[in-house]
Amino acid sequence: EAQVTQNPRYLITVTGKKLTVTCSQNMNHEYMSWYRQDPGLGLRQIYYSMNVEVTDKGDVPEGYKVSRKEKRNFPLILESPSPNQTSLYFCASSLSGGAYYGYTFGSGTRLTVV
Amino acid sequence: KQEVTQIPAALSVPEGENLVLNCSFTDSAIYNLQWFRQDPGKGLTSLLLIQSSQREQTSGRLNASLDKSSGRSTLYIAASQPGDSATYLCAGRGGGADGLTFGKGTHLIIQP
Repeated sequence: EAQVTQNPRYLITVTGKKLTVTCSQNMNHEYMSWYRQDPGLGLRQIYYSMNVEVTDKGDVPEGYKVSRKEKRNFPLILESPSPNQTSLYFCASSLSGGAYYGYTFGSGTRLTVV
Repeated sequence: KQEVTQIPAALSVPEGENLVLNCSFTDSAIYNLQWFRQDPGKGLTSLLLIQSSQREQTSGRLNASLDKSSGRSTLYIAASQPGDSATYLCAGRGGGADGLTFGKGTHLIIQP
């Protein structure tokens, strides 16, 4: 089944403890991105990747890092999480960075930072 | 910068009614518009994707239209069912590496 898989689904952590949220897609998509969803603010893009080793900032990149060493994987790294990063996170992929393709989203990761 | 607005923010209707959800966007240089469904605490499920060159797309009881000149898209749901209850999000995609710009969604409740 074609899908985007995120892990973990739920995570509670403490301030300052580094964590990684994994994202993997099995559709050979070139383009991948991360979003966060917050009440009243909607979904906002954190980082995106046009292809392997090519990443760039979205609208809200502060406090996050990403890497794209393989085409299928696009992990989101929080090196020193803070409570304002408590949110619902989504990974998404698209066939290419060309604007004519739709997105496929993962099931989400609910992160709580205490 | 693209802004996407969805009206109404919430809607409750009896089962069986036909209904329309509205989405407006400020930048007509949109490449495509995608409608998603989100169930509580769950991910986003893609419903329909309309390219800028298209005027509408249909899938089962769903029909989405796109009018770039007026900056509007609508999602029409025919013969609504309780299982249609969810939040519906529209998102526009601009050119190049721009990601999706989302509206804040319409929370839909279909009363049995």
